[in-house]
Amino acid sequence: EDKVVQSPLSLVVHEGDTVTLNCSYEVTNFRSLLWYKQEKKAPTFLFMLTSSGIEKKSGRLSSILDKKELFSILNITATQTGDSAIYLCAVHDSGNTPLVFGKGTRLSVIA
Amino acid sequence: DTGVSQNPRHKITKRGQNVTFRCDPISEHNRLYWYRQTLGQGPEFLTYFQNEAQLEKSRLLSDRFSAERPKGSFSTLEIQRTEQGDSAMYLCASSLGSSAGGYTFGSGTRLTVV
Repeated sequence: EDKVVQSPLSLVVHEGDTVTLNCSYEVTNFRSLLWYKQEKKAPTFLFMLTSSGIEKKSGRLSSILDKKELFSILNITATQTGDSAIYLCAVHDSGNTPLVFGKGTRLSVIA
Repeated sequence: DTGVSQNPRHKITKRGQNVTFRCDPISEHNRLYWYRQTLGQGPEFLTYFQNEAQLEKSRLLSDRFSAERPKGSFSTLEIQRTEQGDSAMYLCASSLGSSAGGYTFGSGTRLTVV
């Protein structure tokens, strides 16, 4: 059974700090790993990673995948209060299986 | 296109009652997924459809739960004889094919069973 473990489960930082969120996974036939941001309601897509060692970047957010060690990290630099959210990691197996999510990391950024 | 729409946004019901939720996916998306999310947990897969065919059901989906997508467009999720443990956020997502990057989520229906 596919499994996704995220750490830490919660994190409180001050504005301007840099944070690193972790995601490890076990999957039978890996296809992709995805990061989502969830504020009050719908998760919104951040990144999809399929290849090891290639950093995906969007503004202050970046993410990288290590397929040998089966993990990914999501970095957020110069955090802002608007970054406060739950960050979800999900893996996609090959074939038709739906996304499997981790429990998420609840990030709180305080001014 | 306004994205994935879910109704109602909130539902409070008494234990033992039946409830039905609706999801309207993005019109050109042929796949529709239902997930459940409780406090402190990530979304847990319940079931999904490709067009009108229900292709997979999680073991989380007890016989009190049923989902339909009769014409391959909107979907309904019904919970019969609700229990307090059914209290959760029910999320719907849609995609075109199996493209993981293409999942678009709705805002969810929050169910509270009292």
